[in-house]
Amino acid sequence: EAGVAQSPRYKIIEKRQSVAFWCNPISGHATLYWYQQILGQGPKLLIQFQNNGVVDDSQLPKDRFSAERLKGVDSTLKIQPAKLEDSAVYLCASSLERRLRGEQYFGPGTRLTVT
Amino acid sequence: GNSVTQMEGPVTLSEEAFLTINCTYTATGYPSLFWYVQYPGEGLQLLLKATKADDKGSNKGFEATYRKETTSFHLEKGSVQVSDSAVYFCALSDTGNNRLAFGKGNQVVVIP
Repeated sequence: EAGVAQSPRYKIIEKRQSVAFWCNPISGHATLYWYQQILGQGPKLLIQFQNNGVVDDSQLPKDRFSAERLKGVDSTLKIQPAKLEDSAVYLCASSLERRLRGEQYFGPGTRLTVT
Repeated sequence: GNSVTQMEGPVTLSEEAFLTINCTYTATGYPSLFWYVQYPGEGLQLLLKATKADDKGSNKGFEATYRKETTSFHLEKGSVQVSDSAVYFCALSDTGNNRLAFGKGNQVVVIP
């Protein structure tokens, strides 16, 4: 079974530029999550989708971050414009359904550096 | 709100030594508790979990017991190997919405 795919793996941009990350979850997984992991910290949830609807985006900085999950499969996370403090690893995860408590499968992440 | 606290600092130990990583939590309701592991260059993987008080999760020689009275979920392994070198994250999930809250993680380095 293929795992969660993410691209790109690495991205370097200048502040005020825009960037987008892509995630393809495990086939059949209804729930998709985006996390931000700053160096030395644990992952922090940004947004959670159930199929193509948003379940929780309470920690998403909506003035600059946006995410979508068209057709309930792939998802894109965008930052526009980027700030220095956005430098982090962005993790995508998926799970079969919301009620399988904590059994999330993570992708390898995209390491973003903002200069 | 819900939160997880892990002991400070990396852990360095010799092969075959005993490993303990402390984890305590603050939560409303009855959360599920997890340990995730991140091997070098790889994504986070679920290592073990416990969904109610006194449950013991185990996998690959690692164990952790859900202690409601001390709000703890410490990770232990009796004899570590070099291949156990990784970052270990304690986490809890909200009752109902599967939202995970992670601790800061502990880097474990096992020396041959």
